[in-house]
Amino acid sequence: QPGLTQPPSMSKGLRQTATLTCTGNSNNVGYQGATWLQQRQGHPPKLLTSRDNNPPSGISERFSASRSGNTVSLTITGLQPEDEADYYCSAWDSGLSAWVFGGGTKLTVL
Amino acid sequence: EVQLVESGGGLVQPGGSLRLTCVGSKFTFSNYWMNWVRQAPGQGLEWVATINQDGSGTFYVDSVKGRFAVSRDNANNSLYLQMDSLRVEDTAVYYCATDVFDTWGQGVLVTVSS
Repeated sequence: QPGLTQPPSMSKGLRQTATLTCTGNSNNVGYQGATWLQQRQGHPPKLLTSRDNNPPSGISERFSASRSGNTVSLTITGLQPEDEADYYCSAWDSGLSAWVFGGGTKLTVL
Repeated sequence: EVQLVESGGGLVQPGGSLRLTCVGSKFTFSNYWMNWVRQAPGQGLEWVATINQDGSGTFYVDSVKGRFAVSRDNANNSLYLQMDSLRVEDTAVYYCATDVFDTWGQGVLVTVSS
């Protein structure tokens, strides 16, 4: 099944800002938005932002999400070493009646 | 703290079966749609199945349709994944997660190999 498109990797310096993107179509991202998940090595994924772009409680204000059409973006400000992780987007696809995931972006903090 | 705990993973031969269990605690389990998501070694996340609150609606990724079955027992706060006709490519860590992925279990490893 087709998924969402994310760049496979990104490298940024300490304290810089990273903007990750995720592109779908009108049946998924354009329909109800997307969630963002962070997965550190050896750990289960953790929700960063919900489909309405709001973060759950306990998530740093350095993480924010936005949507423009069929593309959602996750912005991480003031990068810290602990932000080094894989980041995934996910959305419900109304045409497929299925959740679809992006392939993930591996963020390296230099 | 809201928690999900999976169990039932292990090594199975191709063509074999396995049943995964996920038990929820500290939230009203019966109010939530629930998901199974898997991650093959070194790979990304792949959605596997979803079930609605009362179990009357189920959804599957194409690659497991007809082989896997998701079910639940709300009286025991439990979610299940019955996996039959397992293939080598089903090898992965399997996670259960709440409806919009706000809570995840720690994952359980399923290895399909002869």
